[in-house]
Amino acid sequence: NAGVMQNPRHLVRRRGQEARLRCSPMKGHSHVYWYRQLPEEGLKFMVYLQKENIIDESGMPKERFSAEFPKEGPSILRIQQVVRGDSAAYFCASSGPGQGTYGYTFGSGTRLTVV
Amino acid sequence: TQLLEQSPQFLSIQEGENLTVYCNSSSVFSSLQWYRQEPGEGPVLLVTVVTGGEVKKLKRLTFQFGDARKDSSLHITAAQPGDTGLYLCAGPTTGNQFYFGTGTSLTVIP
Repeated sequence: NAGVMQNPRHLVRRRGQEARLRCSPMKGHSHVYWYRQLPEEGLKFMVYLQKENIIDESGMPKERFSAEFPKEGPSILRIQQVVRGDSAAYFCASSGPGQGTYGYTFGSGTRLTVV
Repeated sequence: TQLLEQSPQFLSIQEGENLTVYCNSSSVFSSLQWYRQEPGEGPVLLVTVVTGGEVKKLKRLTFQFGDARKDSSLHITAAQPGDTGLYLCAGPTTGNQFYFGTGTSLTVIP
């Protein structure tokens, strides 16, 4: 399967716990983007990463949220001390160099529920 | 802030009917993308339109980019239940991110 892989598909966390969402980009893609989709809202940009670098995190909340894309392994979106408002679908997308402006390949998402 | 407004928000039609959904903005975009998202899945890229006035066809789907590159439309001919889903338009911002419209939720009734 050469698609964008996200796991877990569903994640339930109690308020105050940590959530870790993983994304493996398509083979050959070195650019990763994270988006959040809230009920009744569109997809909102969170962060854009290349290997070992955060390029644009303008859409990410300043507190409790962090993202990384290490040299080896998947990209990780980490949410500390989750609150009910963090419940949403989180999507990862990838692209090759210079290809992102023409559209993304998205993963199937992680649906986070905070109880 | 570049804003993409999609209409209608919800659309329910019978199988075999034709339909058009719209994506409008007051801003000029270098390109616009259309995605379809099915429940529980991620958006799937359908098409990218780049040139003002451009028309692209994908089987029964026809995509048009406005001459001024501020709007786009998606026309579906003879809709089928498999066309059911959320249709999203998106345009690139000044960075490497896309601004997404809130979508048109289409239901095709057999």
